[in-house]
Amino acid sequence: KAGVTQTPRYLIKTRGQQVTLSCSPISGHRSVSWYQQTPGQGLQFLFEYFSETQRNKGNFPGRFSGRQFSNSRSEMNVSTLELGDSALYLCASSLAPGSDSPLHFGNGTRLTVT
Amino acid sequence: GNSVTQMEGPVTLSEEAFLTINCTYTATGYPSLFWYVQYPGEGLQLLLKATKADDKGSNKGFEATYRKETTSFHLEKGSVQVSDSAVYFCALSISGYSTLTFGKGTMLLVSP
Repeated sequence: KAGVTQTPRYLIKTRGQQVTLSCSPISGHRSVSWYQQTPGQGLQFLFEYFSETQRNKGNFPGRFSGRQFSNSRSEMNVSTLELGDSALYLCASSLAPGSDSPLHFGNGTRLTVT
Repeated sequence: GNSVTQMEGPVTLSEEAFLTINCTYTATGYPSLFWYVQYPGEGLQLLLKATKADDKGSNKGFEATYRKETTSFHLEKGSVQVSDSAVYFCALSISGYSTLTFGKGTMLLVSP
């Protein structure tokens, strides 16, 4: 069974640009979550989606947005990039929302903003 | 709010040494507790979990017991290997939600 797939693996963007990251969950998983990982702040929750609906959102500015498609694939978008957005962005999938369904993480997209 | 506090690393051990990584939490609900591991260049892998007080999670020789009275979930392993070198994250989630609150992570370095 294929794991969580995130594309691209690496991205380099310039301040002010926007970026879209993609996540394909494990087959049969319908819940997708996104996390930002930085050396200073550690792992911080961005969003959670289930059945194309955002269930929960972390404390991030409106420049960060996401969506989920009918096949459970998800994208997140960051507009007007800032240097501080440089991070590893991790996607995780689970069968359904709730702590009884463990999260399976992808290997992440490394975003560098110059 | 919810928070997780882990001991700072790096933790440096020789192969076959005993490992303890401390983790304490505060939570506004009744949390489930997790340990995740991250190897270089990879995402996080679930190592073990416990969903109620006094539960013991275990996997690959690692163990952690959910202690509600001390709000702790310390990770232990009796004999570490070089291949255990990684960053370990303690995390919690509140019942009904997948959202994880993570600690800052503890790097473990095991030398031969």
